[in-house]
Amino acid sequence: QVQLQESGPGLVKPSETLSLTCTVSGGSVSSGSYYWSWIRQPPGKGLEYIGYIYYTGSTNYKPSLKSRVTISVDTSKNQFSLRLSSVTAADTAVYYCASLYCSRTSCYVRYWGQGTLVTVSS
Amino acid sequence: QSALTQPASVSGSPGQSITISCTGTSSDVGGYNYVSWYQQHPGKAPKLMIYDVSNRPSGVSNRFSGSKSGNTASLTISGLQAEDEADYYCSSYTTSSTYVFGTGTKVTVL
Repeated sequence: QVQLQESGPGLVKPSETLSLTCTVSGGSVSSGSYYWSWIRQPPGKGLEYIGYIYYTGSTNYKPSLKSRVTISVDTSKNQFSLRLSSVTAADTAVYYCASLYCSRTSCYVRYWGQGTLVTVSS
Repeated sequence: QSALTQPASVSGSPGQSITISCTGTSSDVGGYNYVSWYQQHPGKAPKLMIYDVSNRPSGVSNRFSGSKSGNTASLTISGLQAEDEADYYCSSYTTSSTYVFGTGTKVTVL
């Protein structure tokens, strides 16, 4: 079973860049089985898809966040990362890394990390 | 890319059945059989309950079932139990190769 663990600063100043890393265990980011994803949830609100990366480096981002988001993968460390630039208070959320399983006949988020709260404040 | 529409809240008594709807468009829910449902208890990560419209992962109770008609998907919980009280989110793959979640539904067991 794949396990995911987010890590990174819990506090980021406005206008700066949020950086998080997800460490994968029980599976390989290079396996091609999953699209490695980031999802966030503002306090008291719903889930929001941010984007995903495939082990080949191919990415997909939510259109409204595309100009500020970069997702990358480090196969040597079995990790993938999120960078979100020019953050504001509206980016305060619990950030989840997740494994999105998609094939020609199926597509769903199979595994989730426990989530990490990132607060944007000066 | 708008969030899928779900009722804000649904409630039922123990043993009853409830249904949560999830309405999208032909670009997401109606265009693919890739609707999934997630259960989230307070302070916890979401848990996959249904995938590809009506499939249950191993370990998920058969009291949970899913269906879809046109642009609307549904999650039914039968034999409602206290432990089912949680937030539920639907999601779907989209024509933009992205992923979209529903607005979320709070299920209350009376």
